[in-house]
Amino acid sequence: NAGVTQTPKFQVLKTGQSMTLQCAQDMNHNSMYWYRQDPGMGLRLIYYSASEGTTDKGEVPNGYNVSRLNKREFSLRLESAAPSQTSVYFCASSDYRDFDSPLHFGNGTRLTVT
Amino acid sequence: GIQVEQSPPDLILQEGANSTLRCNFSDSVNNLQWFHQNPWGQLINLFYIPSGTKQNGRLSATTVATERYSLLYISSSQTTDSGVYFCAVERSRGGYQKVTFGTGTKLQVIP
Repeated sequence: NAGVTQTPKFQVLKTGQSMTLQCAQDMNHNSMYWYRQDPGMGLRLIYYSASEGTTDKGEVPNGYNVSRLNKREFSLRLESAAPSQTSVYFCASSDYRDFDSPLHFGNGTRLTVT
Repeated sequence: GIQVEQSPPDLILQEGANSTLRCNFSDSVNNLQWFHQNPWGQLINLFYIPSGTKQNGRLSATTVATERYSLLYISSSQTTDSGVYFCAVERSRGGYQKVTFGTGTKLQVIP
């Protein structure tokens, strides 16, 4: 049981380049999330998908887009990367219908924008 | 929004020692979790504990929802316990759309 899988693990981009971070979960969870972690800031929610076919903005959505491709997969796209987007990105999932379902995180993607 | 404060911010322990980490939150919550972020950056769920007490091996957690705090106990600490411990809370039932993370307690266990 792989849980939540993120790719790539590391990425270096130049300002203005685009890329997509991939996330897949095999726990049959309804809800998926993208967070970013910056030093001293804890984790902040970028976008979430409560269920297949829906996406909504979180706390820090500017500069990002998402796609809930199917129940398993939730991707995060940076259309024009900026140095302020240098961060560690985490994908997570939970079962929205189960009020006692905890958050499960992937291993993260470390992104550097130069 | 809800405020989450964790203490202490940094902690150094000798291997074998016990410790208590604290998480205070400013409003009632329906979800509370403790996470361990290991030195490789992986976030591991330790406890889902909006109220009551749970134990898992050398770790246990207690949340007193009426007094708005949660405690994480680590007994007989090991070097593998090193890392950052996060408390995360949310007011709504179901989902983590508005979860608030504390800034963490950085623990270093030395041999």
